[in-house]
Amino acid sequence: QSALTQPPSASGSPGQSVTISCTGTSNDVGGYNYVSWYQQHPGKAPKLMIYEVTKRPSGVTDRFSGSKSGNTASLTVSGLQAEDEADYYCSSYAGPNDLNWVFGGGTKLTVL
Amino acid sequence: QVQLVESGGGVVQPGGSLRLSCAASGFTFSNYGMHWVRQAPGKGLEWVAFIQYYGDIKNHVDSVKGRSTISRDNSKNTLYLQMNSLTSEDTAVYYCTTGMAYAFETWGQGTMVTVSS
Repeated sequence: QSALTQPPSASGSPGQSVTISCTGTSNDVGGYNYVSWYQQHPGKAPKLMIYEVTKRPSGVTDRFSGSKSGNTASLTVSGLQAEDEADYYCSSYAGPNDLNWVFGGGTKLTVL
Repeated sequence: QVQLVESGGGVVQPGGSLRLSCAASGFTFSNYGMHWVRQAPGKGLEWVAFIQYYGDIKNHVDSVKGRSTISRDNSKNTLYLQMNSLTSEDTAVYYCTTGMAYAFETWGQGTMVTVSS
């Protein structure tokens, strides 16, 4: 149950796009299309932004998109806005022997 | 609206026990698998435990196996986490979440557990 690897920080100017990576193994990210992404503002609970690699829950802006290639998943935030500044976490299902989930260490996104 | 409200956190001595509760409302509780996720102060998220709809299937992260047990009472729309033999490593905000498509859909506001002498 090792954590997924995310860069500790990312940044971009308003209006720009930024991509955050999430690297795992064939036992988690690479083995299942069950990668999800969460946004967390300081002192708040996390919010689901992307599930099943590319799907957005109702109410989440299409400026957020997800993708995956091999053992690495990515979250892209387009048209950066000030309110996008937050911590972002990826997660993946990590079965199959037991029902397990793992998170990435988190990426602090700064809007310059 | 969908709401999850955690309770039961507090300060406990090393080796002590706590039972966390999560009251669910606004949705059919028994139709959802449920999770506990925790976050140590200044740290990232860590999945703790999962329980299937009727409680017959469950699992816990290795670091709490044998010390903690997830359970649910669908008649009370409530999720629980019994934690025993607590150590400083268990100090964290504990969130309950609904499970959806192998993701964590709705989150409560969290309850803080502090293990300290």
